[in-house]
Amino acid sequence: DAGVIQSPRHEVTEMGQEVTLRCKPISGHNSLFWYRQTMMRGLELLIYFNNNVPIDDSGMPEDRFSAKMPNASFSTLKIQPSEPRDSAVYFCASSLRQNNQPQHFGDGTRLSIL
Amino acid sequence: GQQLNQSPQSMFIQEGEDVSMNCTSSSIFNTWLWYKQDPGEGPVLLIALYKAGELTSNGRLTAQFGITRKDSFLNISASIPSDVGIYFCAGRGNTGNQFYFGTGTSLTVIP
Repeated sequence: DAGVIQSPRHEVTEMGQEVTLRCKPISGHNSLFWYRQTMMRGLELLIYFNNNVPIDDSGMPEDRFSAKMPNASFSTLKIQPSEPRDSAVYFCASSLRQNNQPQHFGDGTRLSIL
Repeated sequence: GQQLNQSPQSMFIQEGEDVSMNCTSSSIFNTWLWYKQDPGEGPVLLIALYKAGELTSNGRLTAQFGITRKDSFLNISASIPSDVGIYFCAGRGNTGNQFYFGTGTSLTVIP
C-alpha cells in the first residue's frame, strides 16, 4: 500500500522565492497534518485538516505560510516569500479521523533557503 | 501547546543491552504513540496504546501506558545496530485529533 507521498524530497532556493510543498495522503484517510522539524524546536504542528477543512492553523508561524487542501487526495503548504529561518524538514502526515487513530508520516521535504 | 518531556535525550549503549525511555505530560492523555525516525525519513509508528495500564509488544519492543495516564514507557530488549535512530513519543487528550510530540530520544548502539 502506498504511504503518504511528499514532493519534492529536497528543495534549495534563494530567500524571497515562493516555495510550494506537496502532499498526497494515504487513500481513505480524512485527516491531514503538516509539521515542521528542526533541531532547536523538534516536531511542530503547523496546521491540520479534517475532511479537507482546516481545523487548527495556530501553529502556522506567520502570514507568509499558507496551506490548502482542495480535495481528499492532495494538499499544499506554501511559503511566500521564503526566508532562511524557514529552513527545516517539513512533514505531512495523515490518519483516519476516528477516535485516536495514529498518524502516518511521509518522508518529508528538506527545505533550504539560502 | 502541550509539553511532553521525553527522557533521556540521548543514549549510547552496547549491542545486546536493553533500553528504557519514557515520556511524561502535564495533562491526561487517552492515547500514546511511539515512533522511530531514521535519518532522512519520516517517523514510523512502532506501537499505539489506548488504555491506562496497557502493555503492548512489537517484537523486541514493549510499551506501556502509565496508570496515571500522564506517562508512557518504551523498552527495547537485546538491542541491535538497526535500532539506531530517534524515538518519539506522542500523546493525545480528549479533544481534537491533534497529537503532541516529545523532543525525542536519540539512540546509538555500539556494535
